[in-house]
Amino acid sequence: GAGVSQSPSNKVTEKGKDVELRCDPISGHTALYWYRQSLGQGLEFLIYFQGNSAPDKSGLPSDRFSAERTGGSVSTLTIQRTQQEDSAVYLCASSGSGGAIREAQYFGPGTRLTVL
Amino acid sequence: GDSVTQMEGPVTLSEEACLTINCTYTATGYPSLFWYVQYPGEGLQLLLKATKADDKGSNKGFEATYRKETTSFHLEKGSVQVSDSAVYFCALSKGNFNKFYFGSGTKLNVKP
Repeated sequence: GAGVSQSPSNKVTEKGKDVELRCDPISGHTALYWYRQSLGQGLEFLIYFQGNSAPDKSGLPSDRFSAERTGGSVSTLTIQRTQQEDSAVYLCASSGSGGAIREAQYFGPGTRLTVL
Repeated sequence: GDSVTQMEGPVTLSEEACLTINCTYTATGYPSLFWYVQYPGEGLQLLLKATKADDKGSNKGFEATYRKETTSFHLEKGSVQVSDSAVYFCALSKGNFNKFYFGSGTKLNVKP
């Protein structure tokens, strides 16, 4: 079946512009996660959606970052007034609802954001 | 709070050497444990997982055993290949909402 997809695969923008990154999770997955990976670094958790619960926004680095998940499926990560330090690969992942047996996260290919 | 700690990299080995990448975790309750791999220029892929104490996850010659008494999930392979060169991430998930915590990653370089 189809995996997690993200678009665009690459985005180059000018400092100060707003950008939107899109994630389509695996069909039926109730949990969706956004991470940021800077060059040569580990994963930085950004935000987490689970079903109809309030999202866990504890990883968002500033109020310039926000995310929505419409209809429990597609998610959009928005970065306003981009800065050069926002340059990174933004990864989306999805998983099932958990429960007694924790399910793995499945990652999309990422969006490489470059802020000039 | 919950967290995962991995050994610092990079780890450089010759082909056919034995590999161990250490991973320890801090978590209340009964987390599930995972290893993910990121090959150069690619996204993260699930390598193996274990969902309860004493479980052993295995895939592609890699193994890891969930040790609750030592809160560890070390990744092992008996004979590495050049194609195993990648960054390896240890992770845990817990709770009804399956929140994940990732380690910082360990880069493995395997030389011919």
